[in-house]
Amino acid sequence: KAGVTQTPRYLIKTRGQQVTLSCSPISGHRSVSWYQQTPGQGLQFLFEYFSETQRNKGNFPGRFSGRQFSNSRSEMNVSTLELGDSALYLCASSLVQRGAHGYTFGSGTRLTVV
Amino acid sequence: DQQVKQNSPSLSVQEGRISILNCDYTNSMFDYFLWYKKYPAEGPTFLISISSIKDKNEDGRFTVFLNKSAKHLSLHIVPSQPGDSAVYFCAASGNNAGNMLTFGGGTRLMVKP
Repeated sequence: KAGVTQTPRYLIKTRGQQVTLSCSPISGHRSVSWYQQTPGQGLQFLFEYFSETQRNKGNFPGRFSGRQFSNSRSEMNVSTLELGDSALYLCASSLVQRGAHGYTFGSGTRLTVV
Repeated sequence: DQQVKQNSPSLSVQEGRISILNCDYTNSMFDYFLWYKKYPAEGPTFLISISSIKDKNEDGRFTVFLNKSAKHLSLHIVPSQPGDSAVYFCAASGNNAGNMLTFGGGTRLMVKP
């Protein structure tokens, strides 16, 4: 079966711009979570959506937002980009509400802010 | 405040020997622990997990041990193979946190032929 698909794979943006990243979960998976990976901070939780509702949110500023559609696809948006937002953004999907063992990650979107 | 810590940023092991990766946590609400393996330019891949009601879980060459009183878990890989060379992350989840995982900083394992 197809895995978690994240688009685009690479992105270069300028400070002050906004960006939208997309994630298509594994078919049938209803939970989608987003993580930011940076060399200094490691993997940090951004937010989780389940059945179009945000269930958890990490400690990130309001410039980071997301949403989930009825087909479980998810997008995350970062407005007013800062240099520190340069990171690998990872999406993970799961079948059930507490399915951490069945958590499948995509390959990520590498965002570079210049 | 790092709730999950991997104090060794790197580990080098000879092929065929045992690799032991360690992880400490501080949050008593964590009740589910996982190990992920990550290659460059790829997302993390799930390896093995353990619930807090157990102290050991084994899957092939991989075994995870949990010491709740010490808030410590470890991943044993026996025997280590060159293909195991990657960054390993431990992660923890709490019962009221849905699918939110708190990750450690990772340990880079290098298995030398």
